[in-house]
Order: sequence, then C-alpha cells, then structure tokens
Amino acid sequence: QSVLTQPPSVSAAPGQKVTISCSGTSSNIGIDYVSWYQQLPGTAPKLLIYETYKRPSGIPDRFSGSKYGTSATLGITGLQTGDEADYYCAAWDTSLTGEVFGGGTKLTVL
Amino acid sequence: QMQLQESGPGLVKPSETLSLTCVVSGYSISSDHYWAWIRQPPGKGLEYIGIISHNGSPFYIPSLKSRVSMSLDTSKNQFSLDLSSVTAPDTAVYYCARMISDYDYFDYWGQGVLVTVSS
Repeated sequence: QSVLTQPPSVSAAPGQKVTISCSGTSSNIGIDYVSWYQQLPGTAPKLLIYETYKRPSGIPDRFSGSKYGTSATLGITGLQTGDEADYYCAAWDTSLTGEVFGGGTKLTVL
Repeated sequence: QMQLQESGPGLVKPSETLSLTCVVSGYSISSDHYWAWIRQPPGKGLEYIGIISHNGSPFYIPSLKSRVSMSLDTSKNQFSLDLSSVTAPDTAVYYCARMISDYDYFDYWGQGVLVTVSS
C-alpha cells in the first residue's frame, strides 16, 4: 500500500482534459514539493513536473501541477493518444526520511 | 547530456545478495546531488530504496535498511546497490536515478534492469 494515494485509473477522450489527484499527509505533500512522472509502457519513468508546478525543458504546457494542503493534482489538457501511460506522484516524507510514491494512475485516452 | 546505465545479474538465488552498478556519464557524481535506487515489481508501482549523497553518505528506507548497502566509486563515476538475503518479492526492475538536492525530484533515470529472484 502506497503512502501517497492516487486513483488507479482515469480516462478521457482525445482533446479533452483530465486531472489526476495525489493525496498525502502533513509529513510529505503538506510540507514538501511534489513531483510527477510519466511512464510509457516498457520504459523508465520520465520527469513531468518538479517543485510542484514546474515543467522540465521539453515538457509541453499541456501538463500542469498544483497543490493544496496535503493533496496535489496533475492536469493534462488537449489529450493525445500518446499521453496513454502510468503517472506517479512523489514527495519527500519527513517521518520515513525517504521519498514516497503514489501507487500510480493509468491514463486511457479513449 | 547526462546518462545513467544499470548493470548486474538478471537472476539471483534466494538468500543471496543482489548487486547492481549504475554508471553515470556526462556528470561527475562527486559534484553535487544524490544518487538513488528505485525499484518496480512486475505490474506494480515504484518503490524508493534509498539514496547516497555526492560525498558518500547513504540514506535507506526503513523497511529495507537492514538489508541494503550503497556505495560510490568516484574513480569510475559509478554507484552501487547491494541487497542481501533476497526473496521472491525482491524481484523487480531496478532503476538508478539522480535526485536533486533540496527539491527531492528525480531528473535523470537509467533504463532499468530486471532482476529475478529464483532458484
């Protein structure tokens, strides 16, 4: 069971918008930055969002991150079939003294 | 462009020690930041194992602390993971990655190596 809680799956049609939630506690999301990773089938995870809302070079602005209290959200607009992947949130946990991940959310673009 | 590449045996017997190495190119591991190991059991999510700082200080997740050891070899610009007394649940794809100091995110990842624990 993961320390951060994500929905197992989300789906939406091409061109639409989807949000993925990530729920934590005051020991992790509540006091630290959140990062998000995209894992395409059979590949290594790729950094999508860092420091809660920043995007690395090359990541389109269709992807956005936000946080409120002990929960974070990844937003994806203008969905494309190439966005089908597993998405993971992560944050440092001061109680465990280590990084914790969400269980992952599988995005299906119908 | 920095790159990370894991290497190690793909099959380890139960009760033995799993040993992996991550070679880093394009960046000196002794310069800054942390160097991480993360694993992913087949069909499951990501699990953080631990990190080692650029000056060799390790930090392990409590649940694996008694079985994990990490080290740096700055002469070869690589870092290593040893996981002792392995059992079937340790079967996973093991990734190495760079974790950015103070901001706690992984910006570069290796491609991963599948390690199966089986007799």
